Amino acid sequence: DTGVSQDPRHKITKRGQNVTFRCDPISEHNRLYWYRQTLGQGPEFLTYFQNEAQLEKSRLLSDRFSAERPKGSFSTLEIQRTEQGDSAMYLCASTPREGRVYFGPGTRLTVT
Amino acid sequence: QQQVKQSPQSLIVQKGGISIINCAYENTAFDYFPWYQQFPGKGPALLIAIRPDVSEKKEGRFTISFNKSAKQFSLHIMDSQPGDSATYFCAATQYSGAGSYQLTFGKGTKLSVIP
Repeated sequence: DTGVSQDPRHKITKRGQNVTFRCDPISEHNRLYWYRQTLGQGPEFLTYFQNEAQLEKSRLLSDRFSAERPKGSFSTLEIQRTEQGDSAMYLCASTPREGRVYFGPGTRLTVT
Repeated sequence: QQQVKQSPQSLIVQKGGISIINCAYENTAFDYFPWYQQFPGKGPALLIAIRPDVSEKKEGRFTISFNKSAKQFSLHIMDSQPGDSATYFCAATQYSGAGSYQLTFGKGTKLSVIP
């Protein structure tokens, strides 16, 4: 257990539904990342927060995706109008600075 | 464009043997090279990392060898154990300018250590 928690751990949804995931980083970490990992691939960067500010977004983050980190604490990732291609493991990670990055256990999303 | 290429895709090693996983990168702006270990159903966990001003780093049974001129780095697992069976990812990172040090991962190597 790295200290980064994610909820839910698994989510099954029907195509077209909206889903929201939550990440609770290690409390003193001001930097938070979201990554997506598909089967047989390495994680791919989605977005980055420093405190409450979303400073960077990947091209992978389409308009259907939105992320927030109110008050610089927990973060949420919402996917609207889910598609089968959104099926993946969504990983949250936090770090106090450059260097060691702590990943959470991930949320496994299955879109049917 | 795959910026970090990892090989082999899978590896089977006898208990007590040496596991070797190789990675190559293209972006010379990368300045930090970590290796992650991932068990099924878990997030990646940092194993060991190196910066390009060092050619080798050893932590216990795990060693990273780094060749800056060839833009290659490798992970050696000495005395491999069944508990080492997992998927290993090499990664590289650079400062983005927006404050992030986003990781670029290889595709992973599934290691199986057999008794």
